Amino acid sequence: DIQMTQSPSTLSASVGDRVTITCRASQSISSWLAWYQQKPGKAPKLLIYKASSLESGVPSRFSGSGSGTEFTLTISSLQPDDFATYYCQQYNSYSFTFGPGTKVDIK
Amino acid sequence: QVQLVESGGGVVQPGGSLRLSCAASGFTFSSYGMHWVRQAPGKGLEWVAFIRYDGSNKYYADSVKGRFTISRDNSKNTLYLQMNSLRAEDTAVYYCAKDKGNRGLRSSPDYWGQGTLVTVSS
Repeated sequence: DIQMTQSPSTLSASVGDRVTITCRASQSISSWLAWYQQKPGKAPKLLIYKASSLESGVPSRFSGSGSGTEFTLTISSLQPDDFATYYCQQYNSYSFTFGPGTKVDIK
Repeated sequence: QVQLVESGGGVVQPGGSLRLSCAASGFTFSSYGMHWVRQAPGKGLEWVAFIRYDGSNKYYADSVKGRFTISRDNSKNTLYLQMNSLRAEDTAVYYCAKDKGNRGLRSSPDYWGQGTLVTVSS
């Protein structure tokens, strides 16, 4: 099975900061990667699919890049609504593994 | 608009069974694969199972294989998860989620329900 890792596990940042989260796969997944945002008590929200495609309605300050085994999610200018936990998920194989998550909190 | 409403959660004893349902609306249910994803209290997301749009193939996480069964009734726009031989570690909020890919195109979940809590405890 494909294993996913994320770094950092927690990130403290201020409004306006540029934030980057890294996701790594244990083997190549081409560009079959999605990013989700989750707030406490809420369902996850799709931000990015196919590594770099922005989901409809998601602000353009979110972007994704990478292919193969290394991927990044970047928030160009952190907004108050962005404090949340972010997960990557691979869908190269029918195991749809999630990463362990990165919590973005207020510095 | 897409709506997914889970039901059927509750408290069950270890070794017991439970069936979750997910009522879908706002899209052509029979054209999309569907997922179950769970989240234990205070933990991350864990993918549980996926069923193709026509029910022809089903896939499971190793942690639930042989105990859980995903199914769908396209005439009722409803997704199911039959959970047998439940264990304490199955305690979680269970989400159903629509796959973004139309008719089997490779993709990931896009819309999610609000989840239903399953507690396995004696």
